[in-house]
Amino acid sequence: QLQLQESGPGLVKPSETLSLTCTVSGGSIRSSTYSWGWIRQPPGKGLEWIGDIDYSGTTYYNPSLKSRVTISVDTSKNQFSLKLSSVTAADTAVYYCARHVPGSSMCDPWGQGTLVTVSS
Amino acid sequence: QSALTQPRSVSGSPGQSVTISCTGTSSDVGAYNYVSWYQQHPGKAPKLIIYDVSKRPSGVPDRFSGSKSGNTASLTISGLQAEDEADYSCFSYAGSYTHWVFGGGTKLTVL
Repeated sequence: QLQLQESGPGLVKPSETLSLTCTVSGGSIRSSTYSWGWIRQPPGKGLEWIGDIDYSGTTYYNPSLKSRVTISVDTSKNQFSLKLSSVTAADTAVYYCARHVPGSSMCDPWGQGTLVTVSS
Repeated sequence: QSALTQPRSVSGSPGQSVTISCTGTSSDVGAYNYVSWYQQHPGKAPKLIIYDVSKRPSGVPDRFSGSKSGNTASLTISGLQAEDEADYSCFSYAGSYTHWVFGGGTKLTVL
């Protein structure tokens, strides 16, 4: 059974770069079938799609975050990562990673999520 | 403000049916059959319950169904049960620039 687990610092200072990693277990990230994505949820608010990376390494980003976001894959570690630069308090959120089936609206499974707080 | 509009809250009694709407535009919900729905209990990760408008993943009860008409997608839950009380969010493809957008989420209360 495929499982995803987010990891990274829970506290980031304003103007710095938020870095998170999603470790995939129970399956290989190298599969050409899937894309891998990040979604976030500010406290008490709705979900926001951040971006995806597909099997070829092509990335797709939310236009509102595109200038600050980088998603990459490390197949040797079966992980993919998120970097969000120049963070502010508005970036405080629970960050989720998920598998996304290309050509479909299916995002499944999801990681349990990790809270990242932006504060000095 | 979310790209897709959902009611903030809906409610129903056990055994009843409720429908949650997700209104977009002709550039997202109306243009593609790529709408999914996620159930989220407090403090938990979202769980996929409907994808591609009306398809149900294995393990999801057939009490959950999805549909679409024009720019509005809908999630219907029949035979409401106490454990259905949760937040529900829609998710749609929005073209090659915006890519994907979520709704603001709807809190379902089982009375």
